[in-house]
Amino acid sequence: DAGVTQSPTHLIKTRGQQVTLRCSPISGHKSVSWYQQVLGQGPQFIFQYYEKEERGRGNFPDRFSARQFPNYSSELNVNALLLGDSALYLCASLKGTGGYGGELFFGEGSRLTVL
Amino acid sequence: LAKTTQPISMDSYEGQEVNITCSHNNIATNDYITWYQQFPSQGPRFIIQGYKTKVTNEVASLFIPADRKSSTLSLPRVSLSDTAVYYCLVGLTGANNLFFGTGTRLTVIP
Repeated sequence: DAGVTQSPTHLIKTRGQQVTLRCSPISGHKSVSWYQQVLGQGPQFIFQYYEKEERGRGNFPDRFSARQFPNYSSELNVNALLLGDSALYLCASLKGTGGYGGELFFGEGSRLTVL
Repeated sequence: LAKTTQPISMDSYEGQEVNITCSHNNIATNDYITWYQQFPSQGPRFIIQGYKTKVTNEVASLFIPADRKSSTLSLPRVSLSDTAVYYCLVGLTGANNLFFGTGTRLTVIP
């Protein structure tokens, strides 16, 4: 079975531009979470979606938005890019909504560089 | 939200057992303790999870004392390929604000 897949793997943007990152969860997993990982730090939670509904949002500005589609895939959008948005963006899938012990399955990430 | 404290870095020789301790003084009754491993430019990978006492799987053991305010990840006989960052997380897996912290950078020396 395929794991969590993310695209693109690498991309370069300039300040002020917009970017869309994509994630396909493991088959049968209905929850997707997005994390931002700046170099040298641990992943920081951005969003969680379950059954197309936002279930949680981290401390990120409104420039960050996301959505989940009927097939449970997800997109993360970042508008008006800043240099500080340069990071590895990670997607994780989970079978249910959570609230229990279990495993988050992460993709390999999308490396965004903002120039 | 239960935050964690773990050493920033550790070094170990190949073949030795490595123990990484994590403090989580304000762990909640329902919280699980989960450890992830991350290699550079890759997503974190689940290692082990526990609630209390001891849990063992094919790659690691997790020791949790009765008060659950700390936990220790034990990696038996590490190899060079175990060089990575290890994160201790406390909470519920689906919690929408799971906190990774900065992790422990383990370097295995030949």
